[in-house]
Amino acid sequence: GAVVSQHPSRVICKSGTSVKIECRSLDFQATTMFWYRQFPKQSLMLMATSNEGSKATYEQGVEKDKFLINHASLTLSTLTVTSAHPEDSSFYICSARGWGTSGFSSYNEQFFGPGTRLTVL
Amino acid sequence: GQQLNQSPQSMFIQEGEDVSMNCTSSSIFNTWLWYKQDPGEGPVLLIALYKAGELTSNGRLTAQFGITRKDSFLNISASIPSDVGIYFCAGHPPLAGNDMRFGAGTRLTVKP
Repeated sequence: GAVVSQHPSRVICKSGTSVKIECRSLDFQATTMFWYRQFPKQSLMLMATSNEGSKATYEQGVEKDKFLINHASLTLSTLTVTSAHPEDSSFYICSARGWGTSGFSSYNEQFFGPGTRLTVL
Repeated sequence: GQQLNQSPQSMFIQEGEDVSMNCTSSSIFNTWLWYKQDPGEGPVLLIALYKAGELTSNGRLTAQFGITRKDSFLNISASIPSDVGIYFCAGHPPLAGNDMRFGAGTRLTVKP
């Protein structure tokens, strides 16, 4: 249990275009999803936290108009990088926590997706 | 404040050797978690610790939640080549809500 998928795994886009990344919890209901950004050889930086059905909470320094987050259902959250520029190139990782059908609870444990490598030319 | 200091930054060891890495903080944490990240992948949860003093094993991995709640260690015994990767500690400070803090990671290289 507790599988999180991300799509796409890699994306290359031109500067100025928008890119949408999907994060899905496959076998549990994710009441909270998190979006991280990771630069090479660095740790994960939390960008925003989203609870299903409400607006995302962004970390200081993260532009909400630049990184649009939608968590419309208990199994899907999307991150849209709008008007992407080369400096937005990074590894974006989502994580989720919630409850499974067997009563499994991951309130304190986050399960991560495989990540999306974004390259903006 | 609630930063996690993880050490060492990197380790180069011979296959079969034991490994130890740790995380410390100047303030207390309610939970400690250890993740492993392979290149180009998301982190995978190895061990979660919930109580001060708790010692938990997962195969060749053992982790402990420090008595002071300000530190945790992860040991890997009899390392094998597939142990290569980056190991992150993470934890929830009190009253942090959703927030989980991450250490900077320990990059492990195992020579066959």
